[in-house]
Amino acid sequence: RKEVEQDPGPFNVPEGATVAFNCTYSNSASQSFFWYRQDCRKEPKLLMSVYSSGNEDGRFTAQLNRASQYISLLIRDSKLSDSATYLCVVGDSGGYQKVTFGTGTKLQVIP
Amino acid sequence: NAGVTQTPKFQVLKTGQSMTLQCAQDMNHNSMYWYRQDPGMGLRLIYYSASEGTTDKGEVPNGYNVSRLNKREFSLRLESAAPSQTSVYFCASRGGIYYGYTFGSGTRLTVV
Repeated sequence: RKEVEQDPGPFNVPEGATVAFNCTYSNSASQSFFWYRQDCRKEPKLLMSVYSSGNEDGRFTAQLNRASQYISLLIRDSKLSDSATYLCVVGDSGGYQKVTFGTGTKLQVIP
Repeated sequence: NAGVTQTPKFQVLKTGQSMTLQCAQDMNHNSMYWYRQDPGMGLRLIYYSASEGTTDKGEVPNGYNVSRLNKREFSLRLESAAPSQTSVYFCASRGGIYYGYTFGSGTRLTVV
């Protein structure tokens, strides 16, 4: 089993739709969780951290389910500008804190 | 603008040539990282530096060396480039283990 797994997609959704991505992780001792956005041929950019109680930033909601070892990202009212690849990132415990990147889920928002 | 600056943005090397990728951050972060990204694969850690004066191997260190010149700068050197090192290279820094990375804009390297 991969350490961090994501459905590669693509998810093709119409403007205004709600879309959700999940990401599963294998290490139950993982301590930190993030969602990044990566546009084509650009660097990844931090979208949001994921907290145990769940958190929201505008149209984006992130949740953590430690029991089932997954995190999720919900995007409401999708915009054309949301088209990108969304990377799930999981950090281990420990001094160095190994960080593992998922391979990403591609989202295409269609007019 | 605050952030991570990487140079060069593009580079073509012949097999066996050497080069150094430069990275500098102005956010006063202790930790700096070098990743490579290949199609269909997640970002893979080459080397990291948890603090000035220390460097450690990541997941795919073979064929690379690094230098943490000071707190701001972390360079990656390819001593003898191979076609398998064709990739996009990203430098990143982080303020702490519960903080996300800030990435540079990347170096697209082709080895022919």
